[in-house]
Amino acid sequence: AQTVTQSQPEMSVQEAETVTLSCTYDTSESDYYLFWYKQPPSRQMILVIRQEAYKQQNATENRFSVNFQKAAKSFSLKISDSQLGDAAMYFCAYRSPSLGGSRLTFGEGTQLTVNP
Amino acid sequence: GAGVSQSPSNKVTEKGKDVELRCDPISGHTALYWYRQSLGQGLEFLIYFQGNSAPDKSGLPSDRFSAERTGGSVSTLTIQRTQQEDSAVYLCASSPRWGDTQYFGPGTRLTVL
Repeated sequence: AQTVTQSQPEMSVQEAETVTLSCTYDTSESDYYLFWYKQPPSRQMILVIRQEAYKQQNATENRFSVNFQKAAKSFSLKISDSQLGDAAMYFCAYRSPSLGGSRLTFGEGTQLTVNP
Repeated sequence: GAGVSQSPSNKVTEKGKDVELRCDPISGHTALYWYRQSLGQGLEFLIYFQGNSAPDKSGLPSDRFSAERTGGSVSTLTIQRTQQEDSAVYLCASSPRWGDTQYFGPGTRLTVL
């Protein structure tokens, strides 16, 4: 079974600075999908960024980018020019490409605080 | 368009009572998922529906939990004889089809007294 680990329960960053959230995973599959979701106090899980394992290029979405290291099974999220609205719980998630593997496996989450 | 909606937003019940939680997926989405988010267990998969196929119930924690999806759209998660350990946020997600990105609803916070 796949596992996802987020080793940073809490992180903080100053507004306009850059922060990196860590995620590692364990799998025997060669093809899979990785995600970062954001969960603000409203509880709504919001997709931040998605990475297909077969793509070597790191995904980017505006101020959000990932550092995907397939051999190391590492998938970190970098938030540039942090804004107050970025404060939330961030979850890393894994999804298998197989028919029976459509579920997401989540890490424990990292609570991000953005200081003005 | 409208996102995934869930009702009720919050539910308080007494131990031993049955509860029903509802999820309205995004229109046209054929895949629907239920997850549970609790302090002790994090985010756990519960059940998955894809079109008319048999649901994947492998994540349901006990036979007190069941779910159905009527007409390929709305889904109801039922918890019978609720226990205090069932207290959690229940999240629903949908995707256009199997394998696509999942979009989440705001969740239902269930408190069992």
